[in-house]
Amino acid sequence: EAGVVQSPRYKIIEKKQPVAFWCNPISGHNTLYWYRQNLGQGPELLIRYENEEAVDDSQLPKDRFSAERLKGVDSTLKIQPAELGDSAVYLCASSSRDTSNEQFFGPGTRLTVL
Amino acid sequence: DQQVKQNSPSLSVQEGRISILNCDYTNSMFDYFLWYKKYPAEGPTFLISISSIKDKNEDGRFTVFLNKSAKHLSLHIVPSQPGDSAVYFCAASADLRNNDMRFGAGTRLTVKP
Repeated sequence: EAGVVQSPRYKIIEKKQPVAFWCNPISGHNTLYWYRQNLGQGPELLIRYENEEAVDDSQLPKDRFSAERLKGVDSTLKIQPAELGDSAVYLCASSSRDTSNEQFFGPGTRLTVL
Repeated sequence: DQQVKQNSPSLSVQEGRISILNCDYTNSMFDYFLWYKKYPAEGPTFLISISSIKDKNEDGRFTVFLNKSAKHLSLHIVPSQPGDSAVYFCAASADLRNNDMRFGAGTRLTVKP
């Protein structure tokens, strides 16, 4: 069974540019999470989806960050415009009640903003 | 605010010896605690968990101990193997569905042959 897929794996952009990250969760997982992991820190939740509904976006900086999961499967996280402080690893995870809600993480996208 | 703290950024042990990784938390509402293991360029993978109704959970070489009164948990790895070298994250949740996990900053474990 394929795991959580994320692309791109690495992205380098200049500040003020837009950037987008894509995530395809494990098939059948209805819950999808986006996390941000700053250097030397643990992951921090940005947004959680139950199917296509964003049920927790309280930690998402809404002035520049947006996310969508239109068909309740794959998801895109966007930053526009990017700032230097956005440099981090962006992790996607998915879970299912069938797997006791264990979160399965993708490899992440490492973003560098210059 | 850091509700989950791993105060040791790194730990080095000899192969075959015990590794003890520590984690402290501040939120008394946390009911479920997890350890994740992360290799470079990979996402974290679930290792072991414990609910607040227990004080110990064992899975092979890995044992997690929970001291609720001290708001402290620890992960023991016995015997340690070079393949255990990774970053270990402690996480806690007040939600049994683990929807609101809070992670510590991680401890980098190095097991020397």
